[in-house]
Amino acid sequence: AQSVTQLDSHVSVSEGTPVLLRCNYSSSYSPSLFWYVQHPNKGLQLLLKYTSAATLVKGINGFEAEFKKSETSFHLTKPSAHMSDAAEYFCVVRRYGGSQGNLIFGKGTKLSVKP
Amino acid sequence: DARVTQTPRHKVTEMGQEVTMRCQPILGHNTVFWYRQTMMQGLELLAYFRNRAPLDDSGMPKDRFSAEMPDATLATLKIQPSEPRDSAVYFCASGKPGTGFSGANVLTFGAGSRLTVL
Repeated sequence: AQSVTQLDSHVSVSEGTPVLLRCNYSSSYSPSLFWYVQHPNKGLQLLLKYTSAATLVKGINGFEAEFKKSETSFHLTKPSAHMSDAAEYFCVVRRYGGSQGNLIFGKGTKLSVKP
Repeated sequence: DARVTQTPRHKVTEMGQEVTMRCQPILGHNTVFWYRQTMMQGLELLAYFRNRAPLDDSGMPKDRFSAEMPDATLATLKIQPSEPRDSAVYFCASGKPGTGFSGANVLTFGAGSRLTVL
């Protein structure tokens, strides 16, 4: 069975400092992994996806994530936080053999950015 | 920007009432998904359509929930009768035609319908 675990429910950083949102996955197969972001009262937006190409994946808004098979991790990082990054972030794995949208979402990490 | 439109954005109703949520997918997208988001369970897939045909509704309580796509521009999710435990945010998402996972698999989500059942 596949799953994702977001290790922190809430992360708080100061504007201009690095962001690290942690995600571990469990999968018997080569996983397909995503990060989605949800701003308050908005739908989810894809930040980036990993589909067994390059292990370092660059996304929108300066975010990137590195797939580390040895650590079963797919942490999301950004060198310098901006106030507009405050949102909830979801690490997602596609259910193996499942339909296109059969995604398994983590519980989410709320990112707060202090001025 | 093309977007997925959901109505209503907010709905408060009493237990036992029928609730219908609507979704207009992006023109040209052939897949539509309904997700439910709660604090306890997070995001769960309820139903999935491709080319208007229901392909997967295993996540949906069949006794009270139903999902349909009367045409390519409208997807509906109905709850009858509604219960307090149905209170959640319901998201619709649509996706482009694609072959296999290496394709887009990028879903565009609507802003959600927040349902409160008293």
